[in-house]
Amino acid sequence: GENVEQHPSTLSVQEGDSAVIKCTYSDSASNYFPWYKQELGKGPQLIIDIRSNVGEKKDQRIAVTLNKTAKHFSLHITETQPEDSAVYFCAALWSSASKIIFGSGTRLSIRP
Amino acid sequence: DTGVSQDPRHKITKRGQNVTFRCDPISEHNRLYWYRQTLGQGPEFLTYFQNEAQLEKSRLLSDRFSAERPKGSFSTLEIQRTEQGDSAMYLCASSPAGNQQPQHFGDGTRLSIL
Repeated sequence: GENVEQHPSTLSVQEGDSAVIKCTYSDSASNYFPWYKQELGKGPQLIIDIRSNVGEKKDQRIAVTLNKTAKHFSLHITETQPEDSAVYFCAALWSSASKIIFGSGTRLSIRP
Repeated sequence: DTGVSQDPRHKITKRGQNVTFRCDPISEHNRLYWYRQTLGQGPEFLTYFQNEAQLEKSRLLSDRFSAERPKGSFSTLEIQRTEQGDSAMYLCASSPAGNQQPQHFGDGTRLSIL
């Protein structure tokens, strides 16, 4: 069925260190994978996305990798800062529809 | 601000009442989506429109829920005879038409059922 699994559910890192969040998806035909950041009381904000014809994409301190064979994709945040503290969601666009299936979220805390 | 706008931001109502939420998408976006998010979970898809046509509805969207986008611009989501389980954040998103287009979300309407 339609499923995106996300790990870990909570993550605490020292300011300046890196954070990695991992996701797997079940639909082998999924071809678009966005990542969202959600702060308290706000809607999800798109921070980066990757399409299936690309293995890696980078935008400043954020990078995403995609392994289509294994159906894995990951978010990497380097040089973490206090403002990176939020809930992060991975997601996959379902091939048969326009809907996005979200993971269950990772609460990232940056320790000063 | 030209982002997705939702109104109201908060709604508190008694069980059994009807509620209606509004979403104004990014103006050039043809597609509009509704999602529901409960505490500690990711958003769950409810329905989406391309222009004024409602093209897909989730099994989550019971008969008490109805969504419209009459002129292909703003959309409304109505919940009739609200139940305790309807308490959630209702999120709207929009995107251009076409494959692999990013969806941009509003800040949602938080519904609390007393």
